This record gives sequence, C-alpha cells and structure tokens, in this order.
Amino acid sequence: DTAVSQTPKYLVTQMGNDKSIKCEQNLGHDTMYWYKQDSKKFLKIMFSYNNKELIINETVPNRFSPKSPDKAHLNLHINSLELGDSAVYFCASSQVGGAANSPLHFGNGTRLTVT
Amino acid sequence: AQSVAQPEDQVNVAEGNPLTVKCTYSVSGNPYLFWYVQYPNRGLQFLLKYITGDNLVKGSYGFEAEFNKSQTSFHLKKPSALVSDSALYFCAVRIKAGSYQLTFGKGTKLSVIP
Repeated sequence: DTAVSQTPKYLVTQMGNDKSIKCEQNLGHDTMYWYKQDSKKFLKIMFSYNNKELIINETVPNRFSPKSPDKAHLNLHINSLELGDSAVYFCASSQVGGAANSPLHFGNGTRLTVT
Repeated sequence: AQSVAQPEDQVNVAEGNPLTVKCTYSVSGNPYLFWYVQYPNRGLQFLLKYITGDNLVKGSYGFEAEFNKSQTSFHLKKPSALVSDSALYFCAVRIKAGSYQLTFGKGTKLSVIP
C-alpha cells in the first residue's frame, strides 16, 4: 500500500488555467506538507497543515491555495497558472504531535508543466 | 534561523570505495538532523536521523552518519559504494522536537562509477 499518494503524476496545462493536485496519506500522521522542487532540485516548503489547521504558509503567491478536508488529505489548488509554476510538487506527511521526531514521508511527486 | 549547507553539488566515487557526502548546519540550539535520498522520478526517502545520544547513527541501505557538534557537521558515509547508491542526497535540519519546519540543503548528486 502506498503511504503517501498524490495525483496526477504528470500535469501539462496552459498558462491561465486552474488545476488541482490531490494528496492522501494512510499513515495516520497528524501533519501534511506541500513542497516545491525547482529545476535545480532545490526543495522549498510551501504549506503545512496539522490536524486540518494551517501551520506554515511560506511566501507563496495567493494563486496557490491548500485545502485539507481531513487530516489524511491535503490538496493543492493553483489558479491562473504561470510558466514559472512549472516544477515538481511533493506532498509529504509526518507525525509531529507528542514531540515525535518522525521523518517526513514523501509522495512520488507531480510534475507540473505550464506551456 | 536554521540552515543547512551541502558544499558539493556532485560527488563521484568508484564502486567498492568508501563514500562521504558532506553536510553542515546552523541552528540556535540542539539540532535534529536527517538524511534523505531521492532516486530519479521519485519522492524523497528517509535514510537516517540524529536526535541525541551516540554521534554515529546507522540507517538504511548500509549508510551511516556522524554528528560532530564542534564542527556543526553531519556527514553521510558508507564503507563500500554500490552503483545503485547513485542518487540525489539531501541533508535536513529541524530545530526542535515538535517543530513543523524542516529545512533542506540543496542536495548532492552522488554518482558511483562501475
């Protein structure tokens, strides 16, 4: 069973469109994240949700909106896509509550290409 | 603020030789340190972590890392490299238990030459 699954794996779309990426984790973790990996492989955190509450909201254009319907799901919606949004987006989860130091578990990524 | 530096963009090593991938960190307090590996077209996979205790920690696939507080380093090592170890390696630091913020280094590409 895949621990952190995100769909779709590939997303090709045109500038100006709106798209969503879905993420689900079956590990029972209390925290989920979205990371962006650029063409130089640099990883940057975008958002973090703990028990459906937004915890981290880094400097990200407000065209990006995360939504967490429950603690096992964290979706990413992107409005008015731009060329610079092209990247690989990774969903991850971890258990933070209880002072745990569990590592992050990552999905396999969604490669977004904006043309 | 916390930060992680991986000074080498790429490390090349011959199969069977020992390998080292370097990482230094900067935090105000005791760090929680992690190593992850990324294979092509995959997400990051956890290798090992240092929280407290023994400075030498062992992880998956025969990897180990040595925590050195005086040098603020956490280098990843393996006694004998395999071609299948070729991948992108990330060091990461968390400032405290229960913290949501995990900061990654820029990654080091390891190439093991047959």
